[in-house]
Amino acid sequence: QKEVEQDPGPLSVPEGAIVSLNCTYSNSAFQYFMWYRQYSRKGPELLMYTYSSGNKEDGRFTAQVDKSSKYISLFIRDSQPSDSATYLCAMSASGNKLVFGAGTILRVKS
Amino acid sequence: DTAVSQTPKYLVTQMGNDKSIKCEQNLGHDTMYWYKQDSKKFLKIMFSYNNKELIINETVPNRFSPKSPDKAHLNLHINSLELGDSAVYFCASSQGSQVHQPQHFGDGTRLSIL
Repeated sequence: QKEVEQDPGPLSVPEGAIVSLNCTYSNSAFQYFMWYRQYSRKGPELLMYTYSSGNKEDGRFTAQVDKSSKYISLFIRDSQPSDSATYLCAMSASGNKLVFGAGTILRVKS
Repeated sequence: DTAVSQTPKYLVTQMGNDKSIKCEQNLGHDTMYWYKQDSKKFLKIMFSYNNKELIINETVPNRFSPKSPDKAHLNLHINSLELGDSAVYFCASSQGSQVHQPQHFGDGTRLSIL
């Protein structure tokens, strides 16, 4: 079993939809949680960072962490075609090494 | 102005050859990383340097050797290339070695072994 599991998709939604992206993990020591966005042929870029459990909101993006269920989510409201990308969850126990999920491909159709 | 730049962008070479990938960052960061992204898109840390000192060295074959001549540069040399080395290699940098510091990635070097 991989430390971080993420459905690779692709997830295809119409413009304006609410998107839910998820990761599960097995290592209960993880306490730093991130979401990175990766456009085709580009490097990943950090979208959201959350420490321990709870919610964090930034514009159209909301990150949620449920440590009891070992489950994290990223919600995108009012999705746009420009949101089409691969979304990678990443997490860390020690704070200096990230473990990435395989990424979910998101396609937002106009 | 590119923040993290890698050269070359594409590298096609024969099995058994030795090759190098160069990375430079102009963000003034003190920590740099090498990641490998395989065909299934898994991104795995290989090495990390903080102020030119190696701080993360994952289980990577000895054929891979990073070199950091200064804080702004982290190069990756690969000896005796194998088919399984085909992947996209990403360089990244951050201010500080803690993961909550955003890591800025280059656009990757696509390595194909024939």
